[in-house]
Amino acid sequence: KNEVEQSPQNLTAQEGEFITINCSYSVGISALHWLQQHPGGGIVSLFMLSSGKKKHGRLIATINIQEKHSSLHITASHPRDSAVYICAVLIQGAQKLVFGQGTRLTINP
Amino acid sequence: NAGVTQTPKFRILKIGQSMTLQCAQDMNHNYMYWYRQDPGMGLKLIYYSVGAGITDKGEVPNGYNVSRSTTEDFPLRLELAAPSQTSVYFCASTPRPGMDMNTEAFFGQGTRLTVV
Repeated sequence: KNEVEQSPQNLTAQEGEFITINCSYSVGISALHWLQQHPGGGIVSLFMLSSGKKKHGRLIATINIQEKHSSLHITASHPRDSAVYICAVLIQGAQKLVFGQGTRLTINP
Repeated sequence: NAGVTQTPKFRILKIGQSMTLQCAQDMNHNYMYWYRQDPGMGLKLIYYSVGAGITDKGEVPNGYNVSRSTTEDFPLRLELAAPSQTSVYFCASTPRPGMDMNTEAFFGQGTRLTVV
């Protein structure tokens, strides 16, 4: 079983819809990252969380440490949001950054 | 700051050849990582380092070696390249938690390696 599980693996939605991507992990962590990978392959960091909630523009990330769960929300989704979204956790102790398998998001106009 | 600089962007190797992928960061990050991403798959951790002089194996270390002689540099060495090492390689760095909790992870632009 992977230490980091994301759901759904694939998500297709219409422009304007509210999007939620979930990440569950099974280990103790120091921090959790949400990343975005575009079709060109480059990876950019969206958020780093250790508790609570962060917001940047139309993106909101939350984390519940007790439940070992994080969510990434996109409000008013747009075709340019189409990408693979990846959850990664920094494992406590070992301090290695381990990735989920990613969620491929497609937003249709 | 340049962030994470990864070279080369593309490389074709023949079976049995060796090469070094370079990774450098100028943000004084303690933690650095090497990943590989096979087509349509997620990123798998090859090696990582939590500071100069310290390296550890990740999920898929076989066929690779690393060194971390300075905080800035974290090269990945492929010895005796094999077709199974055909992949896209990413280097990443993060600060140590607690040092700067508002800083995200930074990634190199990737190296597309083909072994023929």
